[in-house]
Amino acid sequence: QVQLQQWGAGLLKPSETLSLTCAVYGGSFSNYYWTWIRQTPGKGLEWIGEINHSGSTNCHPSLKSRVTISVDTSKNQFSLKLSSVTAADMAVYYCARGRVWGDPYFYFVMDVWGQGTTVIVSS
Amino acid sequence: DIQMTQSPSSLSASVGDRVTITCQASQDISDYLNWYQKKPGKAPKLLIYGASHLETGVPPRFSGGGSGTDFTFIITSLQPEDIATYYCQQYESLPYAFGQGTKLEIK
Repeated sequence: QVQLQQWGAGLLKPSETLSLTCAVYGGSFSNYYWTWIRQTPGKGLEWIGEINHSGSTNCHPSLKSRVTISVDTSKNQFSLKLSSVTAADMAVYYCARGRVWGDPYFYFVMDVWGQGTTVIVSS
Repeated sequence: DIQMTQSPSSLSASVGDRVTITCQASQDISDYLNWYQKKPGKAPKLLIYGASHLETGVPPRFSGGGSGTDFTFIITSLQPEDIATYYCQQYESLPYAFGQGTKLEIK
């Protein structure tokens, strides 16, 4: 059974860089889209971006200039960095597995999730 | 970007009630739509994919339908454990987007 375990600093000062890592246990690392999502009180759930095992990424345009998503296939881990954080970045951040199947009609789901990390931004 | 609008934003119902949530996309997304359940302190849980397909292990009292821009999510007989916030999510195009959520409470 696949499990995702995430970790990272939960208390940041404005302008610092958020850094989170998610490890994948018990399953294949290939053929999935490893995804970051956050939940903010004001905006609900927000898709941040994704990466595949080859390192190809997609990011939300509103965050693209500040987001770096990377992958370490030797450790079955992927990471999120969000630079220049502000109070608007306070949220619970989740990692998730994105699974795609079907051709030509396709399905995409985020079916396995990490436990979430609460990030607070305060001076 | 595609915008997803859910209604209502909150809903109070009794155990055994039929509950309906709607989700509207700002443009045609065919049936590239999922529904998730989110409980406080827990990660979201996938319930419905492809607008109408029940995820494995999810009770059949949950169902979904619709296509194009208008979608529905139904709980046929509300149970106490269904208290949660429900989100639709489109995957027709990037960036993937969620609705703002519908908070379901027991009356």
